[in-house]
Amino acid sequence: GQQLNQSPQSMFIQEGEDVSMNCTSSSIFNTWLWYKQEPGEGPVLLIALYKAGELTSNGRLTAQFGITRKDSFLNISASIPSDVGIYFCAGARYGNKLVFGAGTILRVKS
Amino acid sequence: DSGVTQTPKHLITATGQRVTLRCSPRSGDLSVYWYQQSLDQGLQFLIQYYNGEERAKGNILERFSAQQFPDLHSELNLSSLELRDSALYFCASSATSLHSGNTIYFGEGSWLTVV
Repeated sequence: GQQLNQSPQSMFIQEGEDVSMNCTSSSIFNTWLWYKQEPGEGPVLLIALYKAGELTSNGRLTAQFGITRKDSFLNISASIPSDVGIYFCAGARYGNKLVFGAGTILRVKS
Repeated sequence: DSGVTQTPKHLITATGQRVTLRCSPRSGDLSVYWYQQSLDQGLQFLIQYYNGEERAKGNILERFSAQQFPDLHSELNLSSLELRDSALYFCASSATSLHSGNTIYFGEGSWLTVV
């Protein structure tokens, strides 16, 4: 089945640092989504990408849909303590099954 | 608040029992998705309904079943529960199916503990 490889698994960074995480797949996707999940909560959509090469920002967050359609990255600039959480990438082909990466755990030292 | 409502938020039950999880999608959304999240498996797609009809199936066990009602709310039924079924169960919804310009929004989840 479709698999997403998300890296890194976890990050422990200093407040103010930039963060970068990415997802790769052996399959082509038509949609890439990035979610953040905090303890006891459901995943919250951060950024949605629908076209190869698309670069989209949401505040301090920037995500790109890779040209090959097989990868995507998420950058967080100038991290703050409330950025703590698990970040998930998710991809879908036309249709309905959204496949999730294993998540990147982000911890921020203030 | 995503607009997706799930009940109950927490549930503790014994092995062998049956439970029903309920989901109300965002207003106007026709598609409902169910996901299971456990520590060792991550977020796993279970099943999707669109306007009352099953649309896609993922890693859903035979002991589990779901349905979507005419008012578009959905229920996930888990029967003959086993310890390994302990997990967070998420419902998500989208306007139609997942495609360009359309995405899915998650509820806060139902935490099931089987003892």
